[in-house]
Amino acid sequence: DGGITQSPKYLFRKEGQNVTLSCEQNLNHDAMYWYRQDPGQGLRLIYYSQIVNDFQKGDIAEGYSVSREKKESFPLTVTSAQKNPTAFYLCASSIELGRSSSYNEQFFGPGTRLTVL
Amino acid sequence: GQNIDQPTEMTATEGAIVQINCTYQTSGFNGLFWYQQHAGEAPTFLSYNVLDGLEEKGRFSSFLSRSKGYSYLLLKELQMKDSASYLCAVSSYNTDKLIFGTGTRLQVFP
Repeated sequence: DGGITQSPKYLFRKEGQNVTLSCEQNLNHDAMYWYRQDPGQGLRLIYYSQIVNDFQKGDIAEGYSVSREKKESFPLTVTSAQKNPTAFYLCASSIELGRSSSYNEQFFGPGTRLTVL
Repeated sequence: GQNIDQPTEMTATEGAIVQINCTYQTSGFNGLFWYQQHAGEAPTFLSYNVLDGLEEKGRFSSFLSRSKGYSYLLLKELQMKDSASYLCAVSSYNTDKLIFGTGTRLQVFP
């Protein structure tokens, strides 16, 4: 089955610790994205990547870092610099970046709910 | 800049019809997506509109008016499983990103 996986589904960390959220896709998509979702707010883009070894900051990149060493993997690190990291994190992928069409919709992973204690 | 507005919450009765509106302001409009998201789960793609008019897909239809910056998602023959959040997202030529609205939480009652 093709799809996007994120792990773990629930994650608890102590304040001040870095934590890495994994995202893997086997859809052969070039573009990958990380979003943050908070209650009452829309999805906000953290980072996105068009191809391997290339990524761009989204609207709320401060306190986060990513890597794209392989096409299928786009891990997100939430660093201690992120002031309010408790949120629901969603990873997505699409065939390519930017071209809007009915075939290039974003597919989402199941999400990771991060709680910082 | 870009801005998307949707109602925060709506309620409806099983078997009824509901219309969820979305208004947007963006330069270089390049398509509008609707996604469904059940609580705690991933959003799933429902529809895509880039030209004016109505796109029908089973019980769900989506309408777009580019001149008015307006779209709606129409859900017919509502079922309990349709209780979810519905996200409107707009694509622009000027950016590689999708801009999401805050979502409309729909509750369907028996």
